[in-house]
Amino acid sequence: AQSVTQLGSHVSVSEGALVLLRCNYSSSVPPYLFWYVQYPNQGLQLLLKYTTGATLVKGINGFEAEFKKSETSFHLTKPSAHMSDAAEYFCAVRTYTDKLIFGTGTRLQVFP
Amino acid sequence: DVKVTQSSRYLVKRTGEKVFLECVQDMDHENMFWYRQDPGLGLRLIYFSYDVKMKEKGDIPEGYSVSREKKERFSLILESASTNQTSMYLCASNSRGGGYNEQFFGPGTRLTVL
Repeated sequence: AQSVTQLGSHVSVSEGALVLLRCNYSSSVPPYLFWYVQYPNQGLQLLLKYTTGATLVKGINGFEAEFKKSETSFHLTKPSAHMSDAAEYFCAVRTYTDKLIFGTGTRLQVFP
Repeated sequence: DVKVTQSSRYLVKRTGEKVFLECVQDMDHENMFWYRQDPGLGLRLIYFSYDVKMKEKGDIPEGYSVSREKKERFSLILESASTNQTSMYLCASNSRGGGYNEQFFGPGTRLTVL
């Protein structure tokens, strides 16, 4: 069975600080992992995904994530937060079909 | 530009009403999904359709039904709306691919049942 745990429902950082959003997964099949972002009053959009190959994945808006099989983690990072990064972030893992299992989300606040 | 559209952004209904939420995608995707989003619970899958007229229950199908008569359109039906169905509803689609392909989301419908 597949599951996703996002540690921390709220994360606050100062503008220019490092952003680190944590995601741990459990999967009985080779994991395909996704990070989505949801801006206020919008649907979700893909930030990045890992399927196979390079374990460090770069996404849009300066975000990246590293797949660590030994730690069953796929944490999302950005070196320098911007006010526009304030949003809710969801980690997801595929099931054995085309369905995804989503984490409960982490709301990122960025303070000036 | 790929697009998933939902018929309403905001909807207010009364308890017991039959409610239809419509979703249309223009990407010729085989798969379509209906999710419910609640604070602290993330996204939970209500129903999944992998082809026209084909559907599969998700994690929380109780109180909901779906219809997919055309490839581009996937409808979510609340047969008799209840207050505990007040939520944000998100539609998504992707192409078949063993979980490789990203899902594209609509903007969501915020449903309030009074």
